[in-house]
Amino acid sequence: AQSVTQLDSHVSVSEGTPVLLRCNYSSSYSPSLFWYVQHPNKGLQLLLKYTSAATLVKGINGFEAEFKKSETSFHLTKPSAHMSDAAEYFCVVSDSSGTYKYIFGTGTRLKVLA
Amino acid sequence: NAGVTQTPKFQVLKTGQSMTLQCAQDMNHEYMSWYRQDPGMGLRLIHYSVGAGITDQGEVPNGYNVSRSTTEDFPLRLLSAAPSQTSVYFCASSRVGTSSYNEQFFGPGTRLTVL
Repeated sequence: AQSVTQLDSHVSVSEGTPVLLRCNYSSSYSPSLFWYVQHPNKGLQLLLKYTSAATLVKGINGFEAEFKKSETSFHLTKPSAHMSDAAEYFCVVSDSSGTYKYIFGTGTRLKVLA
Repeated sequence: NAGVTQTPKFQVLKTGQSMTLQCAQDMNHEYMSWYRQDPGMGLRLIHYSVGAGITDQGEVPNGYNVSRSTTEDFPLRLLSAAPSQTSVYFCASSRVGTSSYNEQFFGPGTRLTVL
């Protein structure tokens, strides 16, 4: 069975400093992995997805994630935080057994300090 | 192209009342799903469907019913509302194919309060 663990429920960074949001996964199959962002009182928007074509995945708004099979990790990074990055971020693993179900992490709330 | 739409945006119910949350998509996606979002718990899957006439249970199906008579619509029915069903509900859709990398598109959500 697949599962995903987001290691930090809250992360605070200063504007202009790097962002690191950590995600570990467990999967019996070759996983499909996603990061979604949710701004306050909004729906979910896809940031990026891992498709096995490349281990370093680039997404929107300057975010990246690196798939590390040996560490079962898919951490999200951004070199320089912006105030508009303040939101909740979800790491998601897709059930690759054919049911198309998403398994969500519990989320990391990112706070950006001026 | 409206994507995934949900109605209503807000709803207040009394315990024991029933209601239907509406979800529609205009992308001709085969896969549709319902989630509930509660603080500190991420999104949990309630029910899902891989095509018209086909539905299945997710992680937290109790107290909810679904049906899928058309590709476009996937309503969620609360049979007898309970305070534990106070939550934000999201509908999502995606293509179905040989790849599991298909992105799910989410609606804007319905905020439900049960008194």
